[in-house]
Amino acid sequence: RKEVEQDPGPFNVPEGATVAFNCTYSNSASQSFFWYRQDCRKEPKLLMSVYSSGNEDGRFTAQLNRASQYISLLIRDSKLSDSATYLCVVPQVPYNFNKFYFGSGTKLNVKP
Amino acid sequence: DVKVTQSSRYLVKRTGEKVFLECVQDMDHENMFWYRQDPGLGLRLIYFSYDVKMKEKGDIPEGYSVSREKKERFSLILESASTNQTSMYLCASSLPGQGAKNIQYFGAGTRLSVL
Repeated sequence: RKEVEQDPGPFNVPEGATVAFNCTYSNSASQSFFWYRQDCRKEPKLLMSVYSSGNEDGRFTAQLNRASQYISLLIRDSKLSDSATYLCVVPQVPYNFNKFYFGSGTKLNVKP
Repeated sequence: DVKVTQSSRYLVKRTGEKVFLECVQDMDHENMFWYRQDPGLGLRLIYFSYDVKMKEKGDIPEGYSVSREKKERFSLILESASTNQTSMYLCASSLPGQGAKNIQYFGAGTRLSVL
């Protein structure tokens, strides 16, 4: 089983829609989680961090479900500019010089 | 502002050539990483370094080596480039520790084609 798994998508949604995707992780001891956004042919950039039950930043909400070992990313009122690939990242536990596990990403296409 | 700079955005090399990919960060981060990213496979760790002259193999180190002589610079070396090393190479850095220190900052990437 992979350490981090994501649905590759693509998720095709109209502007204004609410969309959510999940990321499952295998190590129940994991404490911190990250969502990165990667635009086509660009580098990943941090979108949100999740250290407890969840985090919210404007239209974006990340939630953690420890019992089922997944984190979700919810995007409300989708914009065309939200089109990107969203990567789920989980640091290795036990701590090992910040080694990270990356999901393969979920692709989101927001259509006019 | 945080900055990780990779020396080249695009490189084209021939099979058998020795290739150097350079990465410089200006954040005084202890940890630096080299990944490759391929469609359908996501980011895979090649090597990482947690201090000057210190390095650890990642998941796919075969065919690669690294050098970290200064804290700000982490170099990836392809000793004899092969076509299966055609990929997007991403450098990243972070602070040591947990929680918020786990945030990685990425360079813009080097798209390498080996012909």
